Amino acid sequence: RKEVEQDPGPFNVPEGATVAFNCTYSNSASQSFFWYRQDCRKEPKLLMSVYSSGNEDGRFTAQLNRASQYISLLIRDSKLSDSATYLCVVNGRIKAAGNKLTFGGGTRVLVKP
Amino acid sequence: EPEVTQTPSHQVTQMGQEVILRCVPISNHLYFYWYRQILGQKVEFLVSFYNNEISEKSEIFDDQFSVERPDGSNFTLKIRSTKLEDSAMYFCASRETSGITDTQYFGPGTRLTVL
Repeated sequence: RKEVEQDPGPFNVPEGATVAFNCTYSNSASQSFFWYRQDCRKEPKLLMSVYSSGNEDGRFTAQLNRASQYISLLIRDSKLSDSATYLCVVNGRIKAAGNKLTFGGGTRVLVKP
Repeated sequence: EPEVTQTPSHQVTQMGQEVILRCVPISNHLYFYWYRQILGQKVEFLVSFYNNEISEKSEIFDDQFSVERPDGSNFTLKIRSTKLEDSAMYFCASRETSGITDTQYFGPGTRLTVL
């Protein structure tokens, strides 16, 4: 089983619509979780951290389900500029010097007018 | 807003040559990382560096790779004898520590092409 698994998409989304997708992770000891956004041939950029209680940042809502080991991202009122690849990222340890991030393969979202 | 910078943006080299990729992390960060992304594949961890030593490395980071922080600002990745399969985007990241979660910020990457 892959460490972090995502549906590659693409999710074709009409502008203004809502889109949601999940990612699953295999290491139950994982401590922190993130959604990064990556545009074509660019660096990953932090979209939001994901907390156990769930969190919202504007049109973006992230949820964590530790029991089922999945993370979700929901985008409301999609904009054309939301078109990107969304990377699910997991960190096994907090405050350890290593603290490597493990990336999923990404979910591609295409918002169309 | 402070950011991680990387040079060069694109490096083309011949197989067997040595390359050095350079990064300037965010100034008050203490933890530094290299990742790579082969075209069309996921981002993969290479190495983490803290307090002037490697703290963790992946299987990819073999004897051909080394990292160094030669001064107070630069963080470099050296590939001693490049192979065709080293062609990838190489991202440097640095980390802040802020309580509950530790966020890593990525530089714009160096595209390495090995011919």
